[in-house]
Amino acid sequence: GQSLEQPSEVTAVEGAIVQINCTYQTSGFYGLSWYQQHDGGAPTFLSYNALDGLEETGRFSSFLSRSDSYGYLLLQELQMKDSASYFCAVRDSNSGYALNFGKGTSLLVTP
Amino acid sequence: SQTIHQWPATLVQPVGSPLSLECTVEGTSNPNLYWYRQAAGRGLQLLFYSVGIGQISSEVPQNLSASRPQDRQFILSSKKLLLSDSGFYLCAWSTFTPDEQYFGPGTRLTVT
Repeated sequence: GQSLEQPSEVTAVEGAIVQINCTYQTSGFYGLSWYQQHDGGAPTFLSYNALDGLEETGRFSSFLSRSDSYGYLLLQELQMKDSASYFCAVRDSNSGYALNFGKGTSLLVTP
Repeated sequence: SQTIHQWPATLVQPVGSPLSLECTVEGTSNPNLYWYRQAAGRGLQLLFYSVGIGQISSEVPQNLSASRPQDRQFILSSKKLLLSDSGFYLCAWSTFTPDEQYFGPGTRLTVT
């Protein structure tokens, strides 16, 4: 089966850079996705990596290393509104159309 | 643009009562549709997904069921709710690529 590990909590200061790591164990890996969820809200899609390397979208970047079964989400120029939970999710040949989500990382941005 | 609707936003139901949650998507055809449940402070658990009308795949055995009577309509049901069914229920859609999913606003269900 699949397993994903990500830190449960991260705290960072406004304006700083923070990296949220995700390690996974799976077979027939397809790709790694990242989602953001504010308290009480629904998750929103942030990024998807199928190939090794860095994908950049504004202040957010996502990285994948397939050989290390590892990825991270990088948030730059942190803003208070970035305080939220961040989930990594993977899909593999066994899961088909199903995404397996990690337990999430709660990011707190402080002034 | 695509929009996904879910209702109701909140629901309080007694144990043993039936459940019907509805999800509809606008602005796209033949979407993949998904039902998730999220317990308080936890990750998302995939319950069902559908790649077409009448096609339902169940990920977790439970007393819930799903149906897709129309292309852009996905329904989550239960005949008799349990206390453990409480949670935040989220519907999502994607194109043929499941890795990028778009979620509805969710239904917060409390079973008493």
